[in-house]
Formats: sequence, structure tokens, C-alpha cells
Amino acid sequence: DAGVIQSPRHEVTEMGQEVTLRCKPISGHNSLFWYRQTMMRGLELLIYFNNNVPIDDSGMPEDRFSAKMPNASFSTLKIQPSEPRDSAVYFCASSGPPSGRAYEQYFGPGTRLTVT
Amino acid sequence: LAKTTQPISMDSYEGQEVNITCSHNNIATNDYITWYQQFPSQGPRFIIQGYKTKVTNEVASLFIPADRKSSTLSLPRVSLSDTAVYYCLVGQGGKLIFGQGTELSVKP
Repeated sequence: DAGVIQSPRHEVTEMGQEVTLRCKPISGHNSLFWYRQTMMRGLELLIYFNNNVPIDDSGMPEDRFSAKMPNASFSTLKIQPSEPRDSAVYFCASSGPPSGRAYEQYFGPGTRLTVT
Repeated sequence: LAKTTQPISMDSYEGQEVNITCSHNNIATNDYITWYQQFPSQGPRFIIQGYKTKVTNEVASLFIPADRKSSTLSLPRVSLSDTAVYYCLVGQGGKLIFGQGTELSVKP
């Protein structure tokens, strides 16, 4: 398997623009997670899905952030409008069979977002 | 979710055994202890997980005392490539809360 795939790897945009980050989880995994990492705040869980259903979105910073998982092989994280403080590395992770352990998550390479 | 405390940084030399201890005084009965490793510009990678006593895999060992209020990740004979940030996490289910981690620097 190719692992968790994220796109784009780098994104530079201007304040106010819409940003869409994409994630393809490992085939067969039934849980998907979105994280944000910054030097100041470390690694924060934004939202996670189980069987395509959002289970916990308490980490989503505000209404400008939204996440969807239309099917088991694709998820998006959208920021609209973007602000400079959204600059961070965004990771997508998935978990599921064969280990079946939710705490054994496989992370993608991340998307480095810069908002100017 | 239990809070974890671990050293901010550690230094070691190639070939040495490194032990990183994590404190989790408020661990709940159903909580598991999980360790992740993160290299620069990469996502975290699962290393090992345990509930009690000792767990060993091809990468590391995890020692958990009977009261489970702490745990120690042991890396045998580290190499330069083990330089990374190591995170201790306590919880159950899918909600992993990452702390600040321990930055391990392995020197030649």
C-alpha cells in the first residue's frame, strides 16, 4: 500500500482565499484523523471520522474550518477564509484493520500551508 | 484524558541504550500507553503500545510499573537515525492527545 496520501504537499495562499487540503487514507482503514502542527501549539487533533461519519470535531478552531469525508477513500479539510494564523503543517492519519487498534495511526507526509 | 509529562530533550551517543520516562499520574483504568516517533518534515510514526508490565517489539521496549502512573520507552543501542521527537500518549479509542514530546539527539 502507498500509505496515507495527502495533497498538495505545499500550499501558499493569500489571506482571505479558500484552501482545500486532501487526504486518501490507507485502503481498508475505517478511521480518519486531521491534525495541525505548529511550533507554538504542537500537534493538535482537529477532527476524526469513523466509517465516514464525524465523531469528534471539538478540535476544529472555528467555523472557518470544515471537513468532509464523502467516501471511505477520500477526505477534505477546507479553510474559508484563510488567515495568516492558519499557517501550519496539516497531517491526515488513518487507522483500522488489520491491527484494529485506533491508537495505531498511520500519518501522511503532511501539507505545509503558508497564508500571507 | 490523562495528561502526560516527559523531558523536553535528551542527549545520547551512538550505541547507548536510551530510556525516556513519561509520567501520567491520572491514567484511567481503560487507558493504553502509546509512543510515537516523529522525524523532521514527517508525520509521527507508531512505535509501541502497552497496558501493563513489559512489551517488546523489533524497535523498542516499553516498561510499565504496576501502578501504571509512569512508563519508560527503551531504545537499545541507538544510532544517529534515532534522532527524533518521541511522544508519550495516554488514552483510549481514537482520540490521541499529543504533548510536547521529548527531543532526542544522538551524537556520534
